[in-house]
Amino acid sequence: DSGVTQTPKHLITATGQRVTLRCSPRSGDLSVYWYQQSLDQGLQFLIQYYNGEERAKGNILERFSAQQFPDLHSELNLSSLELGDSALYFCASSVGPNSNEKLFFGSGTQLSVL
Amino acid sequence: AQKITQTQPGMFVQEKEAVTLDCTYDTSDPSYGLFWYKQPSSGEMIFLIYQGSYDQQNATEGRYSLNFQKARKSANLVISASQLGDSAMYFCAMRLTGNQFYFGTGTSLTVIP
Repeated sequence: DSGVTQTPKHLITATGQRVTLRCSPRSGDLSVYWYQQSLDQGLQFLIQYYNGEERAKGNILERFSAQQFPDLHSELNLSSLELGDSALYFCASSVGPNSNEKLFFGSGTQLSVL
Repeated sequence: AQKITQTQPGMFVQEKEAVTLDCTYDTSDPSYGLFWYKQPSSGEMIFLIYQGSYDQQNATEGRYSLNFQKARKSANLVISASQLGDSAMYFCAMRLTGNQFYFGTGTSLTVIP
């Protein structure tokens, strides 16, 4: 158990809908990262938050947004969903914002868009 | 440009034997971190081992060791005494000072009894 909690584990929805994925980092970790793993693109970095502030941005679509709350949990919002958004979404956390830190991953949320 | 390259899409190893999973990286940043993660069929990502670019010695964590060759820009994972539970996808990753994280495409390891 990595200590990172992601909910829900599975999500099935229809095209055009909006969903919210939730992540609770390990106790004491201030950074939260979101990744998307799809079959054809591998693991893609989406976005990082550190202590409530956006820290780094990767290949995140404009239809997607995220935030980190004062209690450090994070939510990833996916809107106007398309079939291609079906993927495994991982959240990861680390203690600080720096480059030489270990990331601990949650077990992921499997999103299926029908 | 590809930042992390894992050239072996699939590997097989006999139980109790050692196996090396290849990873090469590309960066001009002098400070970076290299990681290996294991993804079993359940989908979760498990941290295995970390190597900092300034670390003098190769990292080791139990049966895992990282063969770090800086001049060659390679960070191969060595798993000794393979076990059936080692069958999984293995991802090499690099983290740069801009907090960008790059993952390889993964290597599927199958341990044969």
